[in-house]
Amino acid sequence: EVQLLESGGGLVRPGGSLRLSCAAAGFVRFDTYAMTWVRQAPGKGLEWVSSITDSGGRTYYPDSVKGRFTISRDNSQNTLYLQMHSLRAEDTAVYYCARSLRGATGYLDSWGQGALVTVSS
Amino acid sequence: DIQMTQSPSSLSASVGDRVTITCRASESISSYVNWYQQKPGKAPKLLIYAASSLQSGVPSRFSGSGSGTDFTLTISSLQPEDFATYYCQESYSSPRFGPGTKVDIK
Repeated sequence: EVQLLESGGGLVRPGGSLRLSCAAAGFVRFDTYAMTWVRQAPGKGLEWVSSITDSGGRTYYPDSVKGRFTISRDNSQNTLYLQMHSLRAEDTAVYYCARSLRGATGYLDSWGQGALVTVSS
Repeated sequence: DIQMTQSPSSLSASVGDRVTITCRASESISSYVNWYQQKPGKAPKLLIYAASSLQSGVPSRFSGSGSGTDFTLTISSLQPEDFATYYCQESYSSPRFGPGTKVDIK
């Protein structure tokens, strides 16, 4: 069974930084899957945040986080990361990591339980 | 960027009802649409991928159709556990989501 476990969430001040981690288990080969981060602000819908190819060679971002967030992965540790800088109140959300099938921009078949990030002074 | 819209934004239905949710893309995306179900406090769950393929383990009362710009998710006979919010997602250019459709009890 595929398991994804996010960690690193918490309270951070506006302008601050935070790094989320997503530990993967139950994968036959973590390094053969693209991965994605999706967030959900309180009471709102799902928003795509970032995706990365299986090798880590290509990354994708929407304009809302481009230049502030960086997705990366350590395939030797079966772990996905999201480094977030210059955080704003509107970045407050539950952040989910998910496994992407049919490419980095494909569909998401397995999800973690989410990590809450709160940006507030 | 491709924009995804959904209608209705919410609906009320009874157990046993047939429910249809529509998703529209701002440009043609072939069959690159996926559908997710989300219950309060839980992670989303994949239901349908590539417009009409049923994800393993998902009940057959869920079905998807469409291509190009217009897509539908149908629940043939609504069950108590189906009351949730449903999202479409395009995977043609980037995994953007529609705004969601909340299905609640009439």
